[in-house]
Amino acid sequence: DAGVIQSPRHEVTEMGQEVTLRCKLISGHNSLFWYRQTMMRGLELLIYFNNNVPIDDSGMPEDRFSAKMPNASFSTLKIQPSEPRDSAVYFCASRSSSGTQYFGPGTRLTVL
Amino acid sequence: AQRVTQPEKLLSVFKGAPVELKCNYSYSGSPELFWYVQYSRQRLQLLLRHISRESIKGFTADLNKGETSFHLKKPFAQEEDSAMYYCAPYNQGGKLIFGQGTELSVKP
Repeated sequence: DAGVIQSPRHEVTEMGQEVTLRCKLISGHNSLFWYRQTMMRGLELLIYFNNNVPIDDSGMPEDRFSAKMPNASFSTLKIQPSEPRDSAVYFCASRSSSGTQYFGPGTRLTVL
Repeated sequence: AQRVTQPEKLLSVFKGAPVELKCNYSYSGSPELFWYVQYSRQRLQLLLRHISRESIKGFTADLNKGETSFHLKKPFAQEEDSAMYYCAPYNQGGKLIFGQGTELSVKP
């Protein structure tokens, strides 16, 4: 198993543009988490899904952020329109039935 | 409110010295606790979880329910241990909440 896969690994875009981050879960895992990591705020949980259903999106900063899980193995996090303060590393993680979370390599987003 | 506290943002020790990274939690029920490690510019990796009672890379952590603590310890730090360490309680079916993290710097 290749583990949790994220794409792109790096994204540089201009303010106002739409950004879509992608995540592929580990096969057999049924929970998915999106985190944002910055120097100022550390690691923040944005949203998580159980069995494709969003359970808690209280960490999503504002309406510009949206996340979907169209099937059991894939999720997207979209920012529209993007702003410079969205610059961060975005991690997704999937969780096994034992409770251990496995993280992807992250997407480093820079909004100019 | 459910909360986890890692009081030290930065911990700097010399190679071979003992190291203890502190973690205190405020959680209802009986959470399971994890330590995750993030080496420079890499993904977070599970270091250990309290139910497994393992020693990984020489690190151990004991759950103290009376003090609601889950401190991470290693008797002799190595330079390759330099990384960010995150303590995270987890309630079954819920979410894993990470502390602010402690940066461990092991100097030669």
